[in-house]
Amino acid sequence: DGGITQSPKYLFRKEGQNVTLSCEQNLNHDAMYWYRQDPGQGLRLIYYSQIVNDFQKGDIAEGYSVSREKKESFPLTVTSAQKNPTAFYLCASIEATDNEQFFGPGTRLTVL
Amino acid sequence: AQSVAQPEDQVNVAEGNPLTVKCTYSVSGNPYLFWYVQYPNRGLQFLLKYITGDNLVKGSYGFEAEFNKSQTSFHLKKPSALVSDSALYFCAVRDIPTTDSWGKLQFGAGTQVVVTP
Repeated sequence: DGGITQSPKYLFRKEGQNVTLSCEQNLNHDAMYWYRQDPGQGLRLIYYSQIVNDFQKGDIAEGYSVSREKKESFPLTVTSAQKNPTAFYLCASIEATDNEQFFGPGTRLTVL
Repeated sequence: AQSVAQPEDQVNVAEGNPLTVKCTYSVSGNPYLFWYVQYPNRGLQFLLKYITGDNLVKGSYGFEAEFNKSQTSFHLKKPSALVSDSALYFCAVRDIPTTDSWGKLQFGAGTQVVVTP
């Protein structure tokens, strides 16, 4: 089955620690996206990548970092600089010539 | 910059009644418009999109949406709601893709739909 996988589903972190969220897709999509979801605020774009080894900041990139070494993978690191990291994180991808984004199942990060 | 508004935080409807979820948008050019649905602790699922063509767009699970350019609206509708339609619904707008950008999606805040038996 083609799709997007995110791991882990639930993640707990102590304050001051960096943590990396995994996103893998086997859809052969060029572009990938990371969103943060908070209650009542919809989805906000953190980073996106249109091609391997290239990525751009979204609306709320501060305290986050990404890499795109392979077309299939777009991991997100939540650094200790992110002031309020507890949220639901969603990864998405899109084919170059298609229009709708496909979403992964999400990772819920809780900072203890 | 594009933006989208969902004026209702929650919509309550009885099963079997028509369901409408409102969305208005603002873009600089012709919009690409999308509706997604999210069930608890899950990712978003695509319902339908408007790119061009007929103003009435049909999508998954019996949903449809009407594009109204003069009112800059893209309301989601279902003639007869089911209890299983209870979920969080997001409207999104995207600029026309350019060579420099696939066009980022701007999401509304979401509307919680509650369908009661």
